[in-house]
Amino acid sequence: KAGVTQTPRYLIKTRGQQVTLSCSPISGHRSVSWYQQTPGQGLQFLFEYFSETQRNKGNFPGRFSGRQFSNSRSEMNVSTLELGDSALYLCASSLTGWGETQYFGPGTRLLVL
Amino acid sequence: KQEVTQIPAALSVPEGENLVLNCSFTDSAIYNLQWFRQDPGKGLTSLLLIQSSQREQTSGRLNASLDKSSGRSTLYIAASQPGDSATYLCAVLYNNNDMRFGAGTRLTVKP
Repeated sequence: KAGVTQTPRYLIKTRGQQVTLSCSPISGHRSVSWYQQTPGQGLQFLFEYFSETQRNKGNFPGRFSGRQFSNSRSEMNVSTLELGDSALYLCASSLTGWGETQYFGPGTRLLVL
Repeated sequence: KQEVTQIPAALSVPEGENLVLNCSFTDSAIYNLQWFRQDPGKGLTSLLLIQSSQREQTSGRLNASLDKSSGRSTLYIAASQPGDSATYLCAVLYNNNDMRFGAGTRLTVKP
């Protein structure tokens, strides 16, 4: 069974631009969560989607948004990029949610210049 | 504030040693706790998931315990190997659906 895939793997953007990251969960998994990892703040939860609905949300500004499609694939969008948005963005999937083992993708490394 | 702390931040041991990694949390109202390993520049790999009603979980050379009353979890690694070198993170899911990660313990196992 294929694992969680994330595209692109690396991305360079400039301040003020917007970016969209994609996550394809393991087949059959309906829950997708997004996380931001930085050296200073560590791993922080962004949001979780289940059956196309945002079910949980972390403490991030409205510039960070996401959505989930009927096939459970998810996208995360960051508008008006800031230098501090440079990070490794990870997504994780599970069958139904956080009560189960989370399977992580390799991440998208975003650099904002 | 619901915090998760991991001590030590880094640990270096010779191959073959048994070791314990620590994770502490500030609120006992947890739903579950999960241990992960992360290799440099990679995503996380789940090692063990402990539900709040459980006291421990075992997988191969790994054993994780949970003591909600004291706000602690430990990850025991038996007979460590160089391939165990990685950063180990614990993640706590609180009952209010707040998920918090520790900063991790960077483990180096020397041959």
